[in-house]
Amino acid sequence: QKEVEQNSGPLSVPEGAIASLNCTYSDRGSQSFFWYRQYSGKSPELIMFIYSNGDKEDGRFTAQLNKASQYVSLLIRDSQPSDSATYLCAVPYNNAGNMLTFGGGTRLMVKP
Amino acid sequence: KAGVTQTPRYLIKTRGQQVTLSCSPISGHRSVSWYQQTPGQGLQFLFEYFSETQRNKGNFPGRFSGRQFSNSRSEMNVSTLELGDSALYLCASSWASGLSTDTQYFGPGTRLTVL
Repeated sequence: QKEVEQNSGPLSVPEGAIASLNCTYSDRGSQSFFWYRQYSGKSPELIMFIYSNGDKEDGRFTAQLNKASQYVSLLIRDSQPSDSATYLCAVPYNNAGNMLTFGGGTRLMVKP
Repeated sequence: KAGVTQTPRYLIKTRGQQVTLSCSPISGHRSVSWYQQTPGQGLQFLFEYFSETQRNKGNFPGRFSGRQFSNSRSEMNVSTLELGDSALYLCASSWASGLSTDTQYFGPGTRLTVL
């Protein structure tokens, strides 16, 4: 069974700093990885996905993938208090995008 | 374009009852997946429907079932409710392109409380 691990946090960073969120996965065959953001009491919202080794940038967000080490990370530059949320890493089961295995999530707190 | 919608948003039931939750996917999306989210277990996959057929199933008891209609709308049913079924039930839809990058978009969820 695929496992996806995340540090539950909370990860506390000051406003304007870079927040670094990490995720490790167990299945070497995994090909794509998703990051979702979930505000308290709300549903998960897709931030970005990555499937190639290296970095993928989208605005203040950068996803980094290292398949050899089986980890994927999410960097948030210029963190804002509005970024305070739980960040969920997800991996498709059997590489079928319609079944996701989620990590437990990392709670991020950005302090003004 | 409208997002994924779920009804009802909140539900309170008692043990032993059954419940039906509804999900309308984003227009054009053919796949609907259901997830359960609890503080202890996190987000767990329940099942996925595509073309009115259950295509994938998670590790949940048979009390949890679902179906999909020809317009891609989906319902899930939980029979003989237990206290542990209290959770946020999330529906997610996708194009079902068959690629590993097929992206799921979540609805607002249904908060079920079992007393």
